[in-house]
Amino acid sequence: GAVVSQHPSWVICKSGTSVKIECRSLDFQATTMFWYRQFPKQSLMLMATSNEGSKATYEQGVEKDKFLINHASLTLSTLTVTSAHPEDSSFYICSATRDRGASQHFGDGTRLSIL
Amino acid sequence: DQQVKQNSPSLSVQEGRISILNCDYTNSMFDYFLWYKKYPAEGPTFLISISSIKDKNEDGRFTVFLNKSAKHLSLHIVPSQPGDSAVYFCAASLNNNNDMRFGAGTRLTVKP
Repeated sequence: GAVVSQHPSWVICKSGTSVKIECRSLDFQATTMFWYRQFPKQSLMLMATSNEGSKATYEQGVEKDKFLINHASLTLSTLTVTSAHPEDSSFYICSATRDRGASQHFGDGTRLSIL
Repeated sequence: DQQVKQNSPSLSVQEGRISILNCDYTNSMFDYFLWYKKYPAEGPTFLISISSIKDKNEDGRFTVFLNKSAKHLSLHIVPSQPGDSAVYFCAASLNNNNDMRFGAGTRLTVKP
């Protein structure tokens, strides 16, 4: 069964709204969670790495004020796309790992469509 | 800068035959490589991995080969089954620190 739950799986909203995506590890404590973005027919691009209780580390080119990441507990990380615009439409996937060096477990992703 | 490349966007194979998926990388510092399988509307699931100190790792029908001098790895599936039809992502990481870089994926179709 799934060990990482991502919610919602599909979001359609108007331009200018903010969207929150949740990523939960179901049966383990995730010290580290990762957020990826995938454009059609392209690879998964790492956006940021979040460790419980500390600020997320963003990859170059990713706006931290645009993509707010909170990792408040060992089982939950959230990604908030603030003031979303059509160019933010994409497939967002989270993953979680027990500790550095352990395998990542992926959520099923969130399809975000901004009208 | 695409450090991990999968140059074949798609591959079609007959059931029972071998599927060979290829992956190239540019960063010689990568020391851990993974293959993930992804079905539509689902997240990637881990398939098989290999450390840079090895050149082959086998798990059932799946074998990954690593050629460090060529910065190339491949995934062999034999015999291929229709249920193997999915998108396969190659990934590489530094110091096994989970900071993975993914290729663009190859869509494998196994025909009955």
